Amino acid sequence: DTGVSQNPRHKITKRGQNVTFRCDPISEHNRLYWYRQTLGQGPEFLTYFQNEAQLEKSRLLSDRFSAERPKGSFSTLEIQRTEQGDSAMYLCASSKVGWDRVNTEAFFGQGTRLTVV
Amino acid sequence: AQTVTQSQPEMSVQEAETVTLSCTYDTSESNYYLFWYKQPPSRQMILVIRQEAYKQQNATENRFSVNFQKAAKSFSLKISDSQLGDTAMYFCAFMKHTGNYKLSFGAGTTVTVRA
Repeated sequence: DTGVSQNPRHKITKRGQNVTFRCDPISEHNRLYWYRQTLGQGPEFLTYFQNEAQLEKSRLLSDRFSAERPKGSFSTLEIQRTEQGDSAMYLCASSKVGWDRVNTEAFFGQGTRLTVV
Repeated sequence: AQTVTQSQPEMSVQEAETVTLSCTYDTSESNYYLFWYKQPPSRQMILVIRQEAYKQQNATENRFSVNFQKAAKSFSLKISDSQLGDTAMYFCAFMKHTGNYKLSFGAGTTVTVRA
């Protein structure tokens, strides 16, 4: 499967625990995005990477959230001291921006559904 | 900031019929992209159709077509000959032509195709 892969698919955690999600983008894609989707809503942008550099973070991304893409390949999103309000679907998407700055289609993973109890 | 509004939370259509989903957006950008994404239950979001704002011609992909009205900032999706597999949540999304290429999504419209 050469699509965007996210693990785990589901995560249930107790409030106050830390969780980490992983995203494996399409291999030649240099852009990687994280979005959060709450029930009945559209995804909201959290952050994105160009290769290994994190270039923008939404104000939705509080200090408890951190994302990395250490070698410009897979990415992790960690949430520390989880709160019930963090319960959502976390989506990863990847795309390729060429030398001509033309952006290809963004491909999405199936998401990680987080439930904080 | 860009805002995208989908005013129809749910739509129902009979198989083989046509359904039109509405989307309006607000931006000060002159060039941008607009998209419709489909999110089936428990499956990943996939691109249905894409429109570049500088192109006058409305995009078409098989049974899916758009009506892009730039002056009115309107971007509707028409699904013709609806099939059971079209049942999904549909999101309208906006992306600037340059920069971070992040997507701004509407709240979505749930489409149910009835047999």
